[in-house]
Amino acid sequence: SQTIHQWPATLVQPVGSPLSLECTVEGTSNPNLYWYRQAAGRGLQLLFYSVGIGQISSEVPQNLSASRPQDRQFILSSKKLLLSDSGFYLCAWSVLGEVPFAQYFGPGTRLTVL
Amino acid sequence: GQQLNQSPQSMFIQEGEDVSMNCTSSSIFNTWLWYKQDPGEGPVLLIALYKAGELTSNGRLTAQFGITRKDSFLNISASIPSDVGIYFCAGPYNNNDMRFGAGTRLTVKP
Repeated sequence: SQTIHQWPATLVQPVGSPLSLECTVEGTSNPNLYWYRQAAGRGLQLLFYSVGIGQISSEVPQNLSASRPQDRQFILSSKKLLLSDSGFYLCAWSVLGEVPFAQYFGPGTRLTVL
Repeated sequence: GQQLNQSPQSMFIQEGEDVSMNCTSSSIFNTWLWYKQDPGEGPVLLIALYKAGELTSNGRLTAQFGITRKDSFLNISASIPSDVGIYFCAGPYNNNDMRFGAGTRLTVKP
């Protein structure tokens, strides 16, 4: 069965520091991968998605970037964090299969920028 | 872009009561998904709907794809404390752009 991992689970970083969040998926090949941000009490905002290694699409202009160095690895980065980057970051995967359009989420990383 | 509006924003109910919530859009969607998010965790898919008028159940949960294709409904029967969480509707804007509502926060009092 498929599983998705995210780390770290929580992170407290100062403004201006760099960021690297990692997401890995097991048990599937060539998944579509997604990064979402969820502000407190809000819905999910799509940040990036990837349909293959090295292919990244950005949905929202910001100081974040994403990379996909391997088929089942998706990384969210920033060179300099802003206060507004605080939030709950969720990685998700999807594949063509029994449940069309379904995306499956990881446990999330809670980022606090101080 | 297409936005999904969920109501109510929050609900406080007694254990054993039934719950109804809905999701509307100004645009047509061809797929509706319902997710539940427990505190501090990622959303979990509950039900997927693909056809106007479709009614699908998952245990005590029942969801319907509105006839106009601009809305969807989720009902929970005989609520229990573990139903607590945030319920999100979602629909694909295109193949890879999933739009989410802001969620309905459910609190169940024992």
